[in-house]
Amino acid sequence: GENVEQHPSTLSVQEGDSAVIKCTYSDSASNYFPWYKQELGKGPQLIIDIRSNVGEKKDQRIAVTLNKTAKHFSLHITETQPEDSAVYFCAASIMGAQKLVFGQGTRLTINP
Amino acid sequence: SQTIHQWPATLVQPVGSPLSLECTVEGTSNPNLYWYRQAAGRGLQLLFYSVGIGQISSEVPQNLSASRPQDRQFILSSKKLLLSDSGFYLCAWSVLGGPNEKLFFGSGTQLSVL
Repeated sequence: GENVEQHPSTLSVQEGDSAVIKCTYSDSASNYFPWYKQELGKGPQLIIDIRSNVGEKKDQRIAVTLNKTAKHFSLHITETQPEDSAVYFCAASIMGAQKLVFGQGTRLTINP
Repeated sequence: SQTIHQWPATLVQPVGSPLSLECTVEGTSNPNLYWYRQAAGRGLQLLFYSVGIGQISSEVPQNLSASRPQDRQFILSSKKLLLSDSGFYLCAWSVLGGPNEKLFFGSGTQLSVL
């Protein structure tokens, strides 16, 4: 089955700097890759997703890139702000397979 | 718009006691429903998912069970809780099939078994 590895487990950056979180997946059939943000004591919220027919997607300060050949995808947050502090999860699935496989999460801390 | 309700938000239960967590979805019909568990500082582990009433798939052997008595209701249960059942339980839903299978989570239940 699918296996998703996420790095780093913790990340601390200065406010205004960029943050990058990377994930690798094992199943070459996976074609849907969402990213979730989880604030303390809350459920994860979908922030951006990408499908395998595109290599990059951007939404304001966040962007996701996908390298299908290498089977890895990354989340990029630019101009970080204190409210970006949270745990971020990547995930992978095959469309129609009914379930996502999640990475272990990255705790991002933005230092003022 | 669609909303998902999960309760209670927190629960403290003694070892050996029963458990019932409930989740309901509004604003959509025939959703896929999921129960995830998140241990402290760890990732999301899929416990159960359901594609329809009475249809439950279990992902890992455990002390828990799930039921779907109605289209938009998903229940997580246990007859006798173990210490290892402590964690943050999340219900989620997605649109059944189609090109836009996004997964949406509830607010979670923090379960402490003492």
